[in-house]
Amino acid sequence: AQKVTQAQTEISVVEKEDVTLDCVYETRDTTYYLFWYKQPPSGELVFLIRRNSFDEQNEISGRYSWNFQKSTSSFNFTITASQVVDSAVYFCALSEAESGGSNYKLTFGKGTLLTVNP
Amino acid sequence: GAVVSQHPSRVICKSGTSVKIECRSLDFQATTMFWYRQFPKQSLMLMATSNEGSKATYEQGVEKDKFLINHASLTLSTLTVTSAHPEDSSFYICSARGGGWIVDTQYFGPGTRLTVL
Repeated sequence: AQKVTQAQTEISVVEKEDVTLDCVYETRDTTYYLFWYKQPPSGELVFLIRRNSFDEQNEISGRYSWNFQKSTSSFNFTITASQVVDSAVYFCALSEAESGGSNYKLTFGKGTLLTVNP
Repeated sequence: GAVVSQHPSRVICKSGTSVKIECRSLDFQATTMFWYRQFPKQSLMLMATSNEGSKATYEQGVEKDKFLINHASLTLSTLTVTSAHPEDSSFYICSARGGGWIVDTQYFGPGTRLTVL
């Protein structure tokens, strides 16, 4: 069975601080995908990144960066110089590949509520 | 690209009525659509998976006669909550995945907040 753990339920920072959101996953599959989604107060889930299990390169997109480490089964997300607009719930998710007819079902973590104060 | 819409965004209904929620992929063909339910301050709970032209696959514990799902075309799936009761009040979110470069990613709609009085 797959499992995603986001141990940080809530994080509060002051604007311009850097913040890292942790994500640890469990899976028996050798091929899988990891995701981060952002859910602002409006409710819509916004896709941020997808990483497949064969690609351990870290990625940077503007103020966002992701650190994927298979050795520790972690896929952490860092926001540099946080802004008030970054306030949201962030979900880490895991999906199997298509084999076995999984349709890429997502297993979500419980989410981390990030509050960035001015 | 990869935009998913949902309608209505908010609905209030009386107990015993049925409510239909539409989910549309606007700029891609959705091979598979998913329906989730989210309670306040909780994660998303997958209710069912639907592929175009076939019956939906429901997760354990989800009543298929209560939550009717139709995926009639590659761009439209509907969720009908039949004989709604106050305990069905929740935030319902759909997602869609397509082919090609987005085959392995689910894109989410904005959600529908259902309140049953």
